[in-house]
Amino acid sequence: DSGVTQTPKHLITATGQRVTLRCSPRSGDLSVYWYQQSLDQGLQFLIQYYNGEERAKGNILERFSAQQFPDLHSELNLSSLELGDSALYFCASHPRTSGYNEQFFGPGTRLTVL
Amino acid sequence: KNEVEQSPQNLTAQEGEFITINCSYSVGISALHWLQQHPGGGIVSLFMLSSGKKKHGRLIATINIQEKHSSLHITASHPRDSAVYICAVRVYSGAGSYQLTFGKGTKLSVIP
Repeated sequence: DSGVTQTPKHLITATGQRVTLRCSPRSGDLSVYWYQQSLDQGLQFLIQYYNGEERAKGNILERFSAQQFPDLHSELNLSSLELGDSALYFCASHPRTSGYNEQFFGPGTRLTVL
Repeated sequence: KNEVEQSPQNLTAQEGEFITINCSYSVGISALHWLQQHPGGGIVSLFMLSSGKKKHGRLIATINIQEKHSSLHITASHPRDSAVYICAVRVYSGAGSYQLTFGKGTKLSVIP
């Protein structure tokens, strides 16, 4: 158990809908990263938050947005969903925004768009 | 061309064999991670290294910064080692932050 929690574990929805994925980092960790893992693209970095502020952006679509709240949990919002958004979404945390610390991954949310 | 290339894509080994998975990258990095992903989907960080070699139990990871290459070795492989092994490089993304770029993974199956 990494100490990072994600909810829900599974999510099935229809095209055009909007969903929210939730991540709680390990106690004390300030940084949260979001990743998407699809069959064709593999793992891709989406976005990073540190202590409530956006720090880095990767291959995140404009239909996707994220935020980190004062209690350090983070939410990833996916809107106008398309079939191609079906993927595993992971969050990961580590204590500092930089440095050489490993990241601790949550169990993932499996999103299926029908 | 991907920034991070792993080989082989798939690997089947007999229990007890010595296994090597390779990772080559084309960008400047500050560190390299080896991750393990089990069939259930969960990802575990095995190693993070920026130079030399690290060992943890039967797992050994090495990196050659000049050659932009890393290897993950598994000694005395066991069926429970069956998983996807993913190489990821840590690249500076500005404003004091880093992001990971991932290889496609190597699917290892160890047969009893």
